[in-house]
Amino acid sequence: SAVISQKPSRDICQRGTSLTIQCQVDSQVTMMFWYRQQPGQSLTLIATANQGSEATYESGFVIDKFPISRPNLTFSTLTVSNMSPEDSSIYLCSVARVGNTEAFFGQGTRLTVV
Amino acid sequence: GQQLNQSPQSMFIQEGEDVSMNCTSSSIFNTWLWYKQDPGEGPVLLIALYKAGELTSNGRLTAQFGITRKDSFLNISASIPSDVGIYFCAGRPPPGNQFYFGTGTSLTVIP
Repeated sequence: SAVISQKPSRDICQRGTSLTIQCQVDSQVTMMFWYRQQPGQSLTLIATANQGSEATYESGFVIDKFPISRPNLTFSTLTVSNMSPEDSSIYLCSVARVGNTEAFFGQGTRLTVV
Repeated sequence: GQQLNQSPQSMFIQEGEDVSMNCTSSSIFNTWLWYKQDPGEGPVLLIALYKAGELTSNGRLTAQFGITRKDSFLNISASIPSDVGIYFCAGRPPPGNQFYFGTGTSLTVIP
């Protein structure tokens, strides 16, 4: 497995502001993903964070709202922009190694927008 | 994204009973994963399946990759109170690298 650290673990933000979530892995991984988990719901894939290029977004998610960076093989950030209460969710970073056979998760960032 | 249907949505069982849950997809997958999520935590990987028909065990847990590649099931034998949590299936469809998650099964074990 991999040790994945996410920061912050939780935050309460004002609507209209932006929050950047960081994901750090203890070793180089090939794939990094960002998921959203709304209260009581399953995990929804937001995007794949590609190293050195633009992220690949899933249907319903756009770069202007969820800009993602991945400057190297161990680090990625997700920004939730111009937040509204509907953005209140848990945001989870996931990583997979070469071969992409298994995916591991960080503890998540619990975001509340007021 | 992909739609994975997981059932049952919730289960209430007596300690010691066996549990079975399954996941179905409208399209084929190359990999099936099963996770458990406790409150306030990220999902923890339980079992990974890589080819059709594969049957894999991890302690009291057994999972199978369906022959059609469109389904998978997870069994938990002799349940104990610490099995309580939400179980998710996840699948990776070809040709991509992304994993998509099922709707989840909430398990309650009554001592």
